[in-house]
Amino acid sequence: DVKVTQSSRYLVKRTGEKVFLECVQDMDHENMFWYRQDPGLGLRLIYFSYDVKMKEKGDIPEGYSVSREKKERFSLILESASTNQTSMYLCASSLTGNEQFFGPGTRLTVL
Amino acid sequence: DQQVKQNSPSLSVQEGRISILNCDYTNSMFDYFLWYKKYPAEGPTFLISISSIKDKNEDGRFTVFLNKSAKHLSLHIVPSQPGDSAVYFCAAKRNQGGKLIFGQGTELSVKP
Repeated sequence: DVKVTQSSRYLVKRTGEKVFLECVQDMDHENMFWYRQDPGLGLRLIYFSYDVKMKEKGDIPEGYSVSREKKERFSLILESASTNQTSMYLCASSLTGNEQFFGPGTRLTVL
Repeated sequence: DQQVKQNSPSLSVQEGRISILNCDYTNSMFDYFLWYKKYPAEGPTFLISISSIKDKNEDGRFTVFLNKSAKHLSLHIVPSQPGDSAVYFCAAKRNQGGKLIFGQGTELSVKP
């Protein structure tokens, strides 16, 4: 059965902190994605990766970076957290790039 | 520029009736469309998809219709059940690129 896990369900951080969000998939998928979901805005793509050590910017990459050192793991990094990065963060993986499988999400609050 | 739009933020339907969720898109290069369902505090789950070479795809109670000339797709749920209450996102992609573009979501409430 398809499984995408995210390191935390809820996270509270202070402005200026460096934040790491981890995502692991067990399906041997090449493609992995990070989104944020905000009310009225749907899911917006932050970064994605088609292969190990490869990354591409999505629609809203500012203030974020990513790391993909292993095929199964895709990390999202907030270099210096700000209050406008308070959001639900969703990780997804995909074999074909069509159907994406999502993790449960991390609700991040930046104070 | 919102390439995929769901203009109804919410929809309320009586149990047993039909739910119709709508989605419009602007990019004629999109050739694959998906619907996802999301419960609170969970990640979205894939529901149904349709390729641009088709105009209808059916899976049990769920049917997706695609009108390419109008750049419009809809999801029909018949009959609606209280467990269908969730936020529904439509998404679209081009054959090359791999990125899904999501709409804003429609919150469906099915009342017993």
